[in-house]
Amino acid sequence: DQQVKQNSPSLSVQEGRISILNCDYTNSMFDYFLWYKKYPAEGPTFLISISSIKDKNEDGRFTVFLNKSAKHLSLHIVPSQPGDSAVYFCAASADTDKLIFGTGTRLQVFP
Amino acid sequence: NAGVTQTPKFQVLKTGQSMTLQCAQDMNHNSMYWYRQDPGMGLRLIYYSASEGTTDKGEVPNGYNVSRLNKREFSLRLESAAPSQTSVYFCASSEAGTLVFFGSGTQLSVL
Repeated sequence: DQQVKQNSPSLSVQEGRISILNCDYTNSMFDYFLWYKKYPAEGPTFLISISSIKDKNEDGRFTVFLNKSAKHLSLHIVPSQPGDSAVYFCAASADTDKLIFGTGTRLQVFP
Repeated sequence: NAGVTQTPKFQVLKTGQSMTLQCAQDMNHNSMYWYRQDPGMGLRLIYYSASEGTTDKGEVPNGYNVSRLNKREFSLRLESAAPSQTSVYFCASSEAGTLVFFGSGTQLSVL
């Protein structure tokens, strides 16, 4: 059973526009959520996180929104840049336990 | 500061051969992990170690063994490689399972 789901395997966005990546989870015990970014031939790198006590966290062009009642979180990138083209993984953990990752969304930002 | 270092970067095995993937971290983290990444499957946890001397199974442990040699090192062993184990393997470490840092990956092909 997939506890963390990213239903869109790919997303294509024009440079300067907003990119919205979505993630759903099933485990109500999850209390910490993260987004990782992965370029080809590299390991995933941390992008932004949010605790379950918040519904929004912002860091520059990146904002993560959490809707606990819907068990849904999203990552907004605005404005999108070509360098943002990568695979984005959503991840969640419960009570500082191990991270569970989603299947990833490949974002392509074109000029 | 090297972070998480894993070796080798590439490996080709024949079915039935054995090998060990090495991983070391220099961030004094207690927790270490082995993930595998497959197309459409995201990052799946193979084994993890919450502290020196302890190891636990993740989502996909079959066909693998691990050793937490000391606080710095966590190795993954394939005793009898199978084509289904063709994947990209990532070692990672964290403190208390929150922010996880990844190595650059090992591309393994089993023929």
